[in-house]
Amino acid sequence: GENVEQHPSTLSVQEGDSAVIKCTYSDSASNYFPWYKQELGKRPQLIIDIRSNVGEKKDQRIAVTLNKTAKHFSLHITETQPEDSAVYFCAASKGTGTASKLTFGTGTRLQVTL
Amino acid sequence: GAGVSQSPSNKVTEKGKDVELRCDPISGHTALYWYRQSLGQGLEFLIYFQGNSAPDKSGLPSDRFSAERTGGSVSTLTIQRTQQEDSAVYLCASRTQGASYNEQFFGPGTRLTVL
Repeated sequence: GENVEQHPSTLSVQEGDSAVIKCTYSDSASNYFPWYKQELGKRPQLIIDIRSNVGEKKDQRIAVTLNKTAKHFSLHITETQPEDSAVYFCAASKGTGTASKLTFGTGTRLQVTL
Repeated sequence: GAGVSQSPSNKVTEKGKDVELRCDPISGHTALYWYRQSLGQGLEFLIYFQGNSAPDKSGLPSDRFSAERTGGSVSTLTIQRTQQEDSAVYLCASRTQGASYNEQFFGPGTRLTVL
């Protein structure tokens, strides 16, 4: 089955700096890659996602890049703010129906310091 | 509208007892998923429902775990003869059908503690 690896497990950046989190996946049939943010004690919430027919997607300070050949995708957060502090999870799935289950990475704890 | 809800929010039980966890998906969402999040870990897939049927049960860790869904809405995850290693947060997610819309919306989870 699919295996998703995520690095780093913890990341500390100063406010205003950029943060990059990287994930790799094993199943070349995966075609949907969401990123979830989970604040302490809260539910995971989708912050951005990308499908395999595009290489990059941006939403304000957040961007995701996908390299299908290398089976690698990354989350980029620019101009980090204290409210960005949370655990971020990458995931992969093969689309709809019985292939829609998400396989998650183990998470990155991001700490934005003042 | 209302999001995914789960109950109870917290459950403490003794080893060997059975527990039932409930999920109310977003109205109209035909796809429903259960995941488990152990302390400091990622989310682990348990089971997927499409309507009332479960075409993918591959993540259930043992035959002590079962789930059902009725009326294409509410789902219940049952854990029989609970063990300490079952302690985790159990998250439910739902998704609308449609090839172009994949987002899964998560509930707040049920924190299960087995003493």
